[in-house]
Amino acid sequence: QKEVEQNSGPLSVPEGAIASLNCTYSDQGSQSFFWYRQYSGKSPELIMFIYSNGDKEDGRFTAQLNKASQYVSLLIRDSQPSDSATYLCAVMNSGYSTLTFGKGTMLLVSP
Amino acid sequence: SQTIHQWPATLVQPVGSPLSLECTVEGTSNPNLYWYRQAAGRGLQLLFYSVGIGQISSEVPQNLSASRPQDRQFILSSKKLLLSDSGFYLCAWSGNRADTQYFGPGTRLTVL
Repeated sequence: QKEVEQNSGPLSVPEGAIASLNCTYSDQGSQSFFWYRQYSGKSPELIMFIYSNGDKEDGRFTAQLNKASQYVSLLIRDSQPSDSATYLCAVMNSGYSTLTFGKGTMLLVSP
Repeated sequence: SQTIHQWPATLVQPVGSPLSLECTVEGTSNPNLYWYRQAAGRGLQLLFYSVGIGQISSEVPQNLSASRPQDRQFILSSKKLLLSDSGFYLCAWSGNRADTQYFGPGTRLTVL
């Protein structure tokens, strides 16, 4: 059974701080990794994807991947109250066209 | 650009009633299509996925079924709903490289 683990939170950070969200996965063959943001009552929206070890930056967001440790993270710089949401980590299952999702980490950014 | 639609947005159904949820995608051809359920306090559970017309793969045994009668149409059905079928049903699509998935707005189903 492929698993994706996330701390459920909530992770509370003050406005302007860096929020760090973490995810570990069990499928050693996974090659593609995704971060989605889900506001309460809404559907998930894609933030970033990452395929290679290292960092990938997009605006205030940085995804980090370490395949040897089976670990992927998302950093949000200059956190805003509008970033308050649940962040879902998803891993592409090796050999299949499906994703396994973690249960998500709730982020709360206080003004 | 691609757009994904789901309807209805909300639905309240009695136990034992049938179900039909529809998902359509615009602006792409031969997409991979997915049905997920998100129950309260739980993660996204993949229910079905399809790589082409008439090709359906089921991830978990349940009283739900899926069909893909047209290239960009994906339907989720049940003959008799259970209380445990309540949840947020999400349709998603990806390109035929089976990479990034994009979600529709979802249908919130309450079974009473």
